[in-house]
Amino acid sequence: EAGVAQSPRYKIIEKRQSVAFWCNPISGHATLYWYQQILGQGPKLLIQFQNNGVVDDSQLPKDRFSAERLKGVDSTLKIQPAKLEDSAVYLCASTLLGSGGATDTQYFGPGTRLTVL
Amino acid sequence: AQSVAQPEDQVNVAEGNPLTVKCTYSVSGNPYLFWYVQYPNRGLQFLLKYITGDNLVKGSYGFEAEFNKSQTSFHLKKPSALVSDSALYFCAVRVMDTGRRALTFGSGTRLQVQP
Repeated sequence: EAGVAQSPRYKIIEKRQSVAFWCNPISGHATLYWYQQILGQGPKLLIQFQNNGVVDDSQLPKDRFSAERLKGVDSTLKIQPAKLEDSAVYLCASTLLGSGGATDTQYFGPGTRLTVL
Repeated sequence: AQSVAQPEDQVNVAEGNPLTVKCTYSVSGNPYLFWYVQYPNRGLQFLLKYITGDNLVKGSYGFEAEFNKSQTSFHLKKPSALVSDSALYFCAVRVMDTGRRALTFGSGTRLQVQP
């Protein structure tokens, strides 16, 4: 079974530029998450999708971050414009179940390391 | 609000010795607890989880964790450490709450196993 795929693996941009990250979850997984992991910290949720709907985006800085999962499969996370403090690893995760699956395991992709200069 | 604390930034242990990585949690409701490991430039790999039932949970690579409700702890253990276990370990918690199934992570503990 293929795992969660993310691209690119690394990205270096200057502040005020825009950037986009892509995630393809494990086939058949209904729920997709984007996390931000700043160096030295644990991952923090940015947004959660169930199929193509947003379940939780309460911690997404909506003035600069946006995300979509139009067909309920792969997803794109965008930052525009980027700030220095956005330097982090952006992790995508997926779980099989939608509703009623609080015990299911999240599987993570390798992440995209973003450096903002 | 739920939270996780990993009180040790780093744990050092000699190869062959038992290891413990500590985790305490704070939630309102029943917790679902997870351990993940992260190797350099890699994503998080699932090790084990506690949902309900037996307080001792066995997971991948010989790791196990003990759920202690009275102490609100979920410490990760291994009877005999390997140099290859050296990595960053994260404890995480989730509470069943209106479909929000995102994990709340601790800050991580770096495990260093010396040969």
